[in-house]
Amino acid sequence: NAGVTQTPKFQVLKTGQSMTLQCAQDMNHEYMSWYRQDPGMGLRLIHYSVGAGITDQGEVPNGYNVSRSTTEDFPLRLLSAAPSQTSVYFCASSYSGLTTSGGTSTDTQYFGPGTRLTVL
Amino acid sequence: DQQVKQNSPSLSVQEGRISILNCDYTNSMFDYFLWYKKYPAEGPTFLISISSIKDKNEDGRFTVFLNKSAKHLSLHIVPSQPGDSAVYFCAAKPGGATNKLIFGTGTLLAVQP
Repeated sequence: NAGVTQTPKFQVLKTGQSMTLQCAQDMNHEYMSWYRQDPGMGLRLIHYSVGAGITDQGEVPNGYNVSRSTTEDFPLRLLSAAPSQTSVYFCASSYSGLTTSGGTSTDTQYFGPGTRLTVL
Repeated sequence: DQQVKQNSPSLSVQEGRISILNCDYTNSMFDYFLWYKKYPAEGPTFLISISSIKDKNEDGRFTVFLNKSAKHLSLHIVPSQPGDSAVYFCAAKPGGATNKLIFGTGTLLAVQP
């Protein structure tokens, strides 16, 4: 199992350019999410999906689009890149079910290695 | 407004001693809490979690304590090892939410040999 994979690892864009960050998982997880990590800010949820064809907005969705046509893939599109979108982007996946500590394992998310994006 | 706070940006501990990482939250509707560990240039990896119906969960060297009245949780690592050196994030799930986690800003733990 490769787990959660992300491409590219690094990307430099000019302001106004568009691009797609790829994310794929081979664990047959229902749920997938995109986060961005900025210094001093922790990880913030951009968009998430609870299944193929179903997506919803997180805390910081502006400037990003997502779609989920298959269980495996969850691409993140930057429509018109801005310097404020310079960040490290993480994709995550999880599945439903109960954990031994009483919660649901939809909350135990498995992360990809990240894409470091710089917008000039 | 930061709903999950890790007020210590960094912590340094000697190998073999206890590491205690702290996390405070403001939303009483959080019902599940997790700790993630992150090495440089890698994604966060799940470490340990606790449901709001419990006050302690243990997994090997790692124990998480939850004090709901104080809205505080802590991660204890005993004994600390140099390989534990990483950034630790706490995260919380709002009750009734699916697939949504609110993360703290992280604490960089350095375990000195």
